[in-house]
Amino acid sequence: AQSVTQLGSHVSVSEGALVLLRCNYSSSVPPYLFWYVQYPNQGLQLLLKYTTGATLVKGINGFEAEFKKSETSFHLTKPSAHMSDAAEYFCAVIYYGGSQGNLIFGKGTKLSVKP
Amino acid sequence: SAVISQKPSRDICQRGTSLTIQCQVDSQVTMMFWYRQQPGQSLTLIATANQGSEATYESGFVIDKFPISRPNLTFSTLTVSNMSPEDSSIYLCSASDSRGYGYTFGSGTRLTVV
Repeated sequence: AQSVTQLGSHVSVSEGALVLLRCNYSSSVPPYLFWYVQYPNQGLQLLLKYTTGATLVKGINGFEAEFKKSETSFHLTKPSAHMSDAAEYFCAVIYYGGSQGNLIFGKGTKLSVKP
Repeated sequence: SAVISQKPSRDICQRGTSLTIQCQVDSQVTMMFWYRQQPGQSLTLIATANQGSEATYESGFVIDKFPISRPNLTFSTLTVSNMSPEDSSIYLCSASDSRGYGYTFGSGTRLTVV
C-alpha cells in the first residue's frame, strides 16, 4: 500500500540549530508532496508543497524542502530553529491515480526547541 | 488559497448524542474533505464531499455514523452520531482547488465525549 513515512516521532533541537524533519514516500511515480504544521490546539497550516518544477521548494517561516526522486524523499529543513517553531509537522502526499483529494498523511513529527 | 471557517472549535458532549460540525469556505471549491485526528495520531480521511452527490466514505467509516451534507460549493457539515467516548477526536474539514494542488484546512473541532 502507498504510504508516507516520517522518521522520528519526536525531534528536539536547540534554538538556532538546524531543523531536519524526514519524510519518505513509497511510489515509483512521484506524487504531489506537502508539509503541514499544527500548533497546539490549532488546525493544520500548509508550510510548502511540491507539484512540479523546481525540486527545492521554499515555504513560510523560513522552511524549505527538497524533492529527491532517487531517494523518494521530501525532507523539511530550516537553517536556524526558533522557539516559535515548536509544533507538530506532518508530511502528506497525493499519489497519481488515487482518488482526488486523498491526502495520505505521515504519523507526524513533534518538534521541540530548547532555549 | 481558500479560507475555511469551522465551528464549533470545541465541544463536550454526552454519550449517545449527536454533534454537527460546520465548515464555511470563502470561495467556491470543488471538493471538500473531512478528517479525524485521534489523540496523538495522524489524520485519517473520513469522507469526500462533492456538491450535488452523496459523500464517498473511506473504509471504516459509514454514513449512518458520520452523515455529511454538501448543499453548495462553499459549505459542508459533518455529523457525529450516537457518540461514544471513542469518538473523542479532533475533526477537520479541508477543501481543494480545482487542480487539486492546494489543500486548506479548517481550524478543527476538538470533541470530547463523556
